[in-house]
Amino acid sequence: GEDVEQSLFLSVREGDSSVINCTYTDSSSTYLYWYKQEPGAGLQLLTYIFSNMDMKQDQRLTVLLNKKDKHLSLRIADTQTGDSAIYFCAESAGKLIFGQGTTLQVKP
Amino acid sequence: ETGVTQTPRHLVMGMTNKKSLKCEQHLGHNAMYWYKQSAKKPLELMFVYNFKEQTENNSVPSRFSPECPNSSHLFLHLHTLQPEDSALYLCASRRIRTYEQYFGPGTRLTVT
Repeated sequence: GEDVEQSLFLSVREGDSSVINCTYTDSSSTYLYWYKQEPGAGLQLLTYIFSNMDMKQDQRLTVLLNKKDKHLSLRIADTQTGDSAIYFCAESAGKLIFGQGTTLQVKP
Repeated sequence: ETGVTQTPRHLVMGMTNKKSLKCEQHLGHNAMYWYKQSAKKPLELMFVYNFKEQTENNSVPSRFSPECPNSSHLFLHLHTLQPEDSALYLCASRRIRTYEQYFGPGTRLTVT
């Protein structure tokens, strides 16, 4: 069945880069997404990548896709305390399947 | 500022109460979704509506009853809930033939 897995927690220092990893199972996924959820809020679409791309860069965010290994990563450059949130990876092959979310803690 | 609003933001209800959650989208989308977010679990898709028609019910108990009167509004009617139904209920919308879903802020539901 469809499944998306992420590590549950990541802690970095302010100014460092953060890398959040995700693996998925459905090779027919057309798009893969990263959502951010701040405390008490809904999910905010951060970025997405089409399945025929290897990389997408959007300001401080870099998404890498290894389709062979079904591995997706989100790199946040120069991580700030405002980046502290839960980050969800999601695959889409008709409907969105979400991972459990990675809590990113940014220490000053 | 989100184009998807949800009310109320917080709700406490007893197991015998009847209440409704409301979602409204101002994005001109034509698909709407209800999700349940519980602690330490992935987001669970509950219901999908495309052009006001329900296209998916993900084995949701009948104590949850959705209603979609038009493409902009979505309701979730609740009755005789259980404490394990306490969660954050998220609404989302999408324009059909695109893949991006936009989420509302959620309703934090506590069943006592």
